Amino acid sequence: EVQLVESGGNLVQPGGSLRLSCAASGFTLSSYWMTWVRQAPGKGLEWVANIKQDGSQKFYVDSVKGRFTISRDNAKNSLYLQMNSLRVEDTAVYYCAKGASGPHYFDYWGQGILVTVFS
Amino acid sequence: DIQMTQSPPTLSASVGDKVTVTCRASQSISDSLAWYQQKPGKAPKLLIYKASSLESGVPSRFSGSGSGTEFTLTISSLQPDDFATYYCQQYHSYWTFGQGTKVEIK
Repeated sequence: EVQLVESGGNLVQPGGSLRLSCAASGFTLSSYWMTWVRQAPGKGLEWVANIKQDGSQKFYVDSVKGRFTISRDNAKNSLYLQMNSLRVEDTAVYYCAKGASGPHYFDYWGQGILVTVFS
Repeated sequence: DIQMTQSPPTLSASVGDKVTVTCRASQSISDSLAWYQQKPGKAPKLLIYKASSLESGVPSRFSGSGSGTEFTLTISSLQPDDFATYYCQQYHSYWTFGQGTKVEIK
């Protein structure tokens, strides 16, 4: 059974940093693109970043470029999102998701983890 | 950037109704479109990919159609478990979601 479990969410002040982790099981992580998607409270879904199987390609939404870094450790079956210079508008539930066919759409999602940036 | 616009934002319907949600892209995305269902406090669930392909395990009452800039998600006979918010997502150029359509009980 495919499982994705996020951790690392917390309360943080603007300008602070957090590192989210996503533990993957039930599939071979090294075979799939992986993605982070976020959802602000009461709002819709927003793609944040994704990463190719070997980490050689990474893409980011404009609003997080230069502040967030996506990475992976296939040996540890883990995906990460390093978030620096956090802003109030980064407050959201962050989901990790598995690419179904390349990076295109996402067939399995974690339960989500809340990041709250407050002043 | 490609913008995705869903309509209506909210839809009131009864069990057994046929329901249609529309998603429009700001430029042609061919058939690079997926649909998701999300219930409160839960992660999204993939329903449709490549505009009209049904994800494994998804009931056949769900269907998708369209290409280019206009797409629809249809639920042929609404069931109690289908009351949720539905999102479209394009993957033609980067990745963008629509703002969602909430299907609520009439």
